[in-house]
Amino acid sequence: QLQMQESGPGLVKPSETLSLTCTVAGDSISRSSPYWGWIRQPPGKGLEWIGTVSYDGYTSYNPSLKSRVTISVDTSSYQFSLRLTSVTVADTGVYYCARRQSPAVDINFDSWGPGTLVTVSS
Amino acid sequence: SYVLTQSPSVSVAPGQTARIACGGDDIGTKNVHWYQQKPGQAPVLVVYDDRDRPSGIPERISGSNSGNTATLTISGVEVGDEADYYCQVWDSRSENVVFGGGTKLTVL
Repeated sequence: QLQMQESGPGLVKPSETLSLTCTVAGDSISRSSPYWGWIRQPPGKGLEWIGTVSYDGYTSYNPSLKSRVTISVDTSSYQFSLRLTSVTVADTGVYYCARRQSPAVDINFDSWGPGTLVTVSS
Repeated sequence: SYVLTQSPSVSVAPGQTARIACGGDDIGTKNVHWYQQKPGQAPVLVVYDDRDRPSGIPERISGSNSGNTATLTISGVEVGDEADYYCQVWDSRSENVVFGGGTKLTVL
């Protein structure tokens, strides 16, 4: 059974870089499950897609975050990672990693990690 | 950018039918996906591609999509259905995954 777990610092200072890693168990980041993503949720608010990475490193990002986001993949370690630069308090929230459904007509996420709270504060 | 609009809340009595709407410009031409999120938990995909259900999702949860409104329908509502529900589409024009603002379902 697929399990995902987010990990990384829970507190980041303004203007610094937020870095998170998602570790996958029970599935492989490969052609059979090729796409993986990050979604976030500010406290008490809705969901926001950050971006997606494929097993061979192809990325797509939310246009509103594109200038600050990098998502990378390490298939040998069953991990993919998120970097968000120049963070502000508006970047505070729960960050989820998720598997994009495949095969699929278009993008949705059929399995999610439990999420990790990241607070941006000095 | 593409916008999905959901009512903030819906209330129904146990055993009744809940309908949660998701509005968007010509949304009937897109594939709509729905997530259920209970407090303190990650979202769960309950309907994809307008009306398909992942394995393990009961048949009393269904979806439809036409014109400018997609609808998630929950029949025979149970207390355990209390959650926030989010619709989601892929907007190819802006190359963006778009979520609705969410609807809180309360079971009276």
